[in-house]
Amino acid sequence: QTVVTQEPSFSVSPGGTVTLTCGLRSGSVSTGYFPSWYQQTPGQPPRTLIYSTNIRSSGVPDRFSGSLLGNKAALTITGAQADDESDYYCVLYMGSDIAWVFGGGTKLTVL
Amino acid sequence: EVQLVQSGAEVKKPGESLKISCKTSGYSFTTYWIAWVRQMPGKGLDWMGIIYPGDSDTRYSPAFQGQVTISADKSISTAYLQWSSLKASDTAMYYCARHGGPQLWSAPDSWGQGTLVTVSS
Repeated sequence: QTVVTQEPSFSVSPGGTVTLTCGLRSGSVSTGYFPSWYQQTPGQPPRTLIYSTNIRSSGVPDRFSGSLLGNKAALTITGAQADDESDYYCVLYMGSDIAWVFGGGTKLTVL
Repeated sequence: EVQLVQSGAEVKKPGESLKISCKTSGYSFTTYWIAWVRQMPGKGLDWMGIIYPGDSDTRYSPAFQGQVTISADKSISTAYLQWSSLKASDTAMYYCARHGGPQLWSAPDSWGQGTLVTVSS
C-alpha cells in the first residue's frame, strides 16, 4: 500500500510545462510534511531539486519550482528540455517515528 | 564541498553478513542526519532509516526495523549500513544521503554514489 502517491508516468512536449504531484493516500500534504523533490536518471544517484516545499537546491535552474496545489505538493517544470526526461521522486516527512517516506516516482517523457 | 563516498559493490550469498560504508567530508559530520535509501532493480526509492552521528539517535522505517542496523563512527566521519543475514531480496542499490540540517525534518540534500549489493547463491 503506497502511502505517498505520485503519477506513474507523464509526458510533456519540448518547451512545454508540466506539473507533477505528490499526495497522501489519506489526508492533505501541507508545509509541515516538508515535501522535497528529486530527479534521477538511469545509473545515477538522485539529484536534489526542491526541499521544504519550494526551496530550490543550489545549482537547480529556476524552471523547476515547487508548490502546494490543492491537497498535494507539486513540482512544475517550465520550458521542458530533452534532458529533463527522468524519474522524479517526492519525499514527505511523516513525523519522528516513521520519519521520511518516498513516493513511488513519476517517469517523465519529453517528446 | 560536501562529499559522500560509498564503499564498492558487493556480491554475497544468502545468510552472509555485510556492512557497507559511507565516508563523508566537507561538513561537520556530527551535526547532520544521514539516511540510507534502497533502490531495488527497476524500482523506486525506499527510505530505510537515519542516524544523527552527534548522539547516535537512530530511527528506522517500519519496513526495515529489525532487518538492518545503521551506525556511525564520528572519529572517521563514516556511516554504516549492516545486515546480519542477507536474503536474495536484499539485492539492490543502496544510497547514503545527508539530510540538510540537525532537525529530523530536514530533507536529504546530498547523495553518495551508491553501493550495489547482490545476494545470490
